[in-house]
Amino acid sequence: GIQVEQSPPDLILQEGANSTLRCNFSDSVNNLQWFHQNPWGQLINLFYIPSGTKQNGRLSATTVATERYSLLYISSSQTTDSGVYFCAVSRYNNNDMRFGAGTRLTVKP
Amino acid sequence: SQTIHQWPATLVQPVGSPLSLECTVEGTSNPNLYWYRQAAGRGLQLLFYSVGIGQISSEVPQNLSASRPQDRQFILSSKKLLLSDSGFYLCAWSDRGFSPLHFGNGTRLTVT
Repeated sequence: GIQVEQSPPDLILQEGANSTLRCNFSDSVNNLQWFHQNPWGQLINLFYIPSGTKQNGRLSATTVATERYSLLYISSSQTTDSGVYFCAVSRYNNNDMRFGAGTRLTVKP
Repeated sequence: SQTIHQWPATLVQPVGSPLSLECTVEGTSNPNLYWYRQAAGRGLQLLFYSVGIGQISSEVPQNLSASRPQDRQFILSSKKLLLSDSGFYLCAWSDRGFSPLHFGNGTRLTVT
């Protein structure tokens, strides 16, 4: 199956800093999504982005499918951005999604 | 708008007891439904998915089973829990085809 690697595994930031999270995948995909899991365990879908660039407020994501990676940008980070960020990919649909191990982000006030 | 409900939020059960976790989706029809498990650490593992009533696909052999008695209801069950069944169980839904996956708030299960 498709392998998904996320980096860095852990990231500690001061409030207001910017960050870039990376997701590499081992094969062609037609489905890539980014999620944020807050400290209470709730998983929120941030982006559905199999290719191209999208922005939502302080967050943006870029997927370069031909080079098999995606980046999640967080600007002007806030303490509420803390949690674990997951990348998930599949070749076809959500029935075979593979999740990365996640990046644990801690934003300090 | 669509919402997904999952309960209970936490559950402590003894080894050998049965399990039933329920998930319902509102505001959509014919969704794909999923059960994931997240063990201590981070990774999410797909356990079951369903594309319609009575249609269940299992990703891994295990002590658990799933059922979809109604279009927007998905149930995760076990006849006899094992210690290794402890974890965080998440229900999710999506539309057909290529579409975003949306999760419920999860059930934290501890088997003692």
